[in-house]
Amino acid sequence: QVQLQESGPGLVKSSQTLSLTCTVSGGSIRSGNYYWTWIRQPAGKGLEWIGRIHSSGATDSNPSLNSRVTIPVDTSKNQFSLNLISVTAADTAVYYCAREGRRQLADAFDIWGQGILVTVSS
Amino acid sequence: DIQMTQSPSSVSASVGDRVTITCQASQDIRDYLNWYQQKPGKAPKLLIYDAVNLETGVPSRFTGSASGRGSGSGTDFTLTISSLQPEDIATYFCQHYDHLPITFGQGTRLEI
Repeated sequence: QVQLQESGPGLVKSSQTLSLTCTVSGGSIRSGNYYWTWIRQPAGKGLEWIGRIHSSGATDSNPSLNSRVTIPVDTSKNQFSLNLISVTAADTAVYYCAREGRRQLADAFDIWGQGILVTVSS
Repeated sequence: DIQMTQSPSSVSASVGDRVTITCQASQDIRDYLNWYQQKPGKAPKLLIYDAVNLETGVPSRFTGSASGRGSGSGTDFTLTISSLQPEDIATYFCQHYDHLPITFGQGTRLEI
């Protein structure tokens, strides 16, 4: 049974880089036709798709983040990461990693990590 | 970006009630629509995929439907809970998968 677990600092200073890691257990990050995704949620608000990396290595990110996002993968550790540069208070949120898997017509986020709260301080 | 608009933003109901939540897309998304349930302090959980299909393990009181075929096709979707249970207290989100960027509705908070 595949499980995801986020890790990283809970506090980041404004203008610095937010770096989180998602560890995948119970399955290989290289196998299957999956996207490994980051999603965030500011307190009391909705969900925002940040970006993803495919098991092939291809990446996509949300244009609203103005090219501040990179999503590297470390297959030897079965991990993928999120790097978000030049953070501001608006980047304070709970960050989730999730697996995006194919259903009959389209993909869905079928497995989620528990989430990690990241606060950007001035 | 496709805008996903849910209504109502919050709803209060009683155990046993039938509850309906709607989601409207700003453009045709075919049936590329998923529903999630999020309980306080927890990650979202997939309930319905491809607008109408129940995820494995989800109780059958949850159903998804799509309406508006013909005029306004692929824009109007509904999540129905046929008989509300106490454990259904949560916030519900819709999400489209027509093209990038993926976007979510703002959420519907369900209270008993």
